[in-house]
Amino acid sequence: GAGVSQTPSNKVTEKGKYVELRCDPISGHTALYWYRQSLGQGPEFLIYFQGTGAADDSGLPNDRFFAVRPEGSVSTLKIQRTERGDSAVYLCASSRTSGGITDTQYFGPGTRLTVL
Amino acid sequence: GNSVTQMEGPVTLSEEAFLTINCTYTATGYPSLFWYVQYPGEGLQLLLKATKADDKGSNKGFEATYRKETTSFHLEKGSVQVSDSAVYFCAGNLNSGGYQKVTFGTGTKLQVIP
Repeated sequence: GAGVSQTPSNKVTEKGKYVELRCDPISGHTALYWYRQSLGQGPEFLIYFQGTGAADDSGLPNDRFFAVRPEGSVSTLKIQRTERGDSAVYLCASSRTSGGITDTQYFGPGTRLTVL
Repeated sequence: GNSVTQMEGPVTLSEEAFLTINCTYTATGYPSLFWYVQYPGEGLQLLLKATKADDKGSNKGFEATYRKETTSFHLEKGSVQVSDSAVYFCAGNLNSGGYQKVTFGTGTKLQVIP
């Protein structure tokens, strides 16, 4: 597609439920990033994929969070046993190459997750 | 630890006023530095970047110079327009692993009034 797309745009769930957030990167982009943006804050890094593998998952807050990218394109961020503190906008970004310092990250519009 | 600090907002300016948004960073190496902008209802967009000391990034009339001696990357524009109203994020690739693990500041909301 023309840009990074994310679905759903909004997700409301109840505490304790499981959610999946999807990211469709720009075609051909090998690097994919997930960030989380809480209200009034800047985005915080969660995880980085190079191809199919998670090269850096140091930003995932705990083991309730997991992300996959099985075919090196679409990625899914999975959150188990959601808590109210998980409420935030989840952003996905992709870049063309392996993420060299001169490459540009293109961000999707985000998924706004609300946990009641 | 590594971090990016930017001035708090909101900043309210009249059209054609001069804009400065301060940003400083803490890092062990020499990171690439960025300014991102988020217009109302839209996603994050890269505004400009600089990859080494003394580089000046520029775009849409905005400029920022990478100052290693002061670890700063202040955003400036000589004459703001109403259409510049947005949230501006200073950011840096503070990671030394060769990929863009970007650390963001908290954002500065700019409102330009006619």
